[in-house]
Formats: sequence, structure tokens, C-alpha cells
Amino acid sequence: GAGVSQSPRYKVAKRGQDVALRCDPISGHVSLFWYQQALGQGPEFLTYFQNEAQLDKSGLPSDRFFAERPEGSVSTLKIQRTQQEDSAVYLCASSFSVRGPEEKLFFGSGTQLSVL
Amino acid sequence: EDQVTQSPEALRLQEGESSSLNCSYTVSGLRGLFWYRQDPGKGPEFLFTLYSAGEEKEKERLKATLTKKESFLHITAPKPEDSATYLCAVQVEGSYIPTFGRGTSLIVHP
Repeated sequence: GAGVSQSPRYKVAKRGQDVALRCDPISGHVSLFWYQQALGQGPEFLTYFQNEAQLDKSGLPSDRFFAERPEGSVSTLKIQRTQQEDSAVYLCASSFSVRGPEEKLFFGSGTQLSVL
Repeated sequence: EDQVTQSPEALRLQEGESSSLNCSYTVSGLRGLFWYRQDPGKGPEFLFTLYSAGEEKEKERLKATLTKKESFLHITAPKPEDSATYLCAVQVEGSYIPTFGRGTSLIVHP
């Protein structure tokens, strides 16, 4: 596609509900990142994939958070038993390769999650 | 611990009033420093990457500079359409992960 696509755009969940957030990166992009952005804050790193391999998940805040990218393209971020503190915008970003900082990130518009 | 601090948190300018945004960093081994622009309801959009002290990059009314401790984003004669949040991020040697600051919210009044 033309850019990184995320769905749903908005998600309202009741506390305790499980949610799944989808990211379609730019075709052919090797690297995929998930970030969490609270209101008025900068993006906070959650996890990083290189193709289908999850190389870094150090930013996942708890074991309720799980991410996968089984075929090296689409990725899903799953949050189990959602809590109010999970309310934030979840951003997905992709880049063409892993050569280093010259590979700029392309971000989606994010999924805004509200937990009631 | 690696840190990225942006200042000011918010900045209001009149159209045509030039100013600078600051990004200071304390990292061990900088591999690259990035500037992104984020509009409300959108994801960040890439502006620049700087690699070494003394480097400068320009795009329209924006110029980014880098020293060993900080980066500046200079905005010359801003227009209302430059209103956005500007984010700074750093990537350290040996890591794939850019770490972002909190951003500077810029409003340019006509």
C-alpha cells in the first residue's frame, strides 16, 4: 500500500476485555516497530520485529501485552485483560531495512485505545 | 540511562517570528539523531537524520543542527501550517530502537 495502515482507528474496551490491534506495514519493509503514546507524551517503544522474528520486546509493560508478525508482514498487538492505564495511542512504524539510522521510520496514524 | 529531553514543552510564535527548538541527549555512543513532525491525530512524519557533530540539514523553513550534546531545530519565518508537535529521537550504537523525547508543541499564529 501507499503507507502504513492501522486498524481499528479507534477502540473502546471495557476493563478486563481483550483487544487486538492490527498493523499493515509498507510492502517489503523488513523492520516493524510498535510504540505506545500517552496524551501529551512522546512515543514509548514496545517491541521490534525484523521480518517474522521478534528481536526486542523489552518495552512491553506486562505479560498482558503480546505481539506477533507470523509471516513477516502484517503484525498484531494483543492486550489481554485491559486496564485503564492501557489507554493510549498505539503506533506502528516500518522501515525498509535494518542498515541503521538512515532507514527512516514510516508511521501509521495509530489506534486510539480507550479503556473504560 | 540514555535520555532525550526536549525544550520548551510548548511554544507560541507569531507568523514570521523565527525561533529554535532544543533536543538535548545523554547517550553512550550516538548512532543517529532524528527529527519528526506530528500533526494531531496522525503518526510522526520524518524530517531529518543527523549523524555527527557539526552536521546541518535543511528543508524549506526548517534547519536542524547537531552538537555532541544537543540538537536544534531552527524555524525561520514560520507559517501557521508549521504548527505541529516536533519530536526528537536518538538511536545508539548497537541498537535498532529510536528513543523519543516528549516533543515540543509549536503553534504559529497568523
